Amino acid sequence: DSGVTQTPKHLITATGQRVTLRCSPRSGDLSVYWYQQSLDQGLQFLIHYYNGEERAKGNILERFSAQQFPDLHSELNLSSLELGDSALYFCASSVVTGVTDTQYFGPGTRLTVL
Amino acid sequence: AQKITQTQPGMFVQEKEAVTLDCTYDTSDPSYGLFWYKQPSSGEMIFLIYQGSYDQQNATEGRYSLNFQKARKSANLVISASQLGDSAMYFCAMRTGTTDSWGKFQFGAGTQVVVTP
Repeated sequence: DSGVTQTPKHLITATGQRVTLRCSPRSGDLSVYWYQQSLDQGLQFLIHYYNGEERAKGNILERFSAQQFPDLHSELNLSSLELGDSALYFCASSVVTGVTDTQYFGPGTRLTVL
Repeated sequence: AQKITQTQPGMFVQEKEAVTLDCTYDTSDPSYGLFWYKQPSSGEMIFLIYQGSYDQQNATEGRYSLNFQKARKSANLVISASQLGDSAMYFCAMRTGTTDSWGKFQFGAGTQVVVTP
């Protein structure tokens, strides 16, 4: 158990809908990262928050947004869902944001868009 | 541009044998970190081992060791005395120290390892 929690574990929804994925980092970790893992794209970095502020953006679609709250938990919002958004979404956390900082991953949320 | 390459899509290894998983990287940044993660069929990503670009010695964590060859830009993972529970997908990842990529991990495509009795 990495100490990172993600809810829900599974999510099934329809095209065009909006969903929210939630992540609680390990105690004491200030950085939260979101990743998308799909069969065709592999593991893709989406976005990074540090202590409530956005620090880096990766391959995140405009239909997707995220935020980190004062209690350091984070939410990833996915809207106007398409079939291709079906994937495993991971949240990871680390203490700070340096090169040596190891990221610890949550168990993931498996999103299925029908 | 930063890049991580894992050229072995899959491999079989017999129980109790050692296995080496290849990983090469490309970055012009002098400061970077290299990581290996394991993803079993259950889906979670498990951190295994870390090597910093300035580390003089190869990292070791139990049965895992990282064969770091800086000049060749390779960071191969060695798993000694394989166990059935080592069957999983293994990912190599890199994090660089440039301002625009501090928050980004780049992952390789992964190597699927199957340990046979």
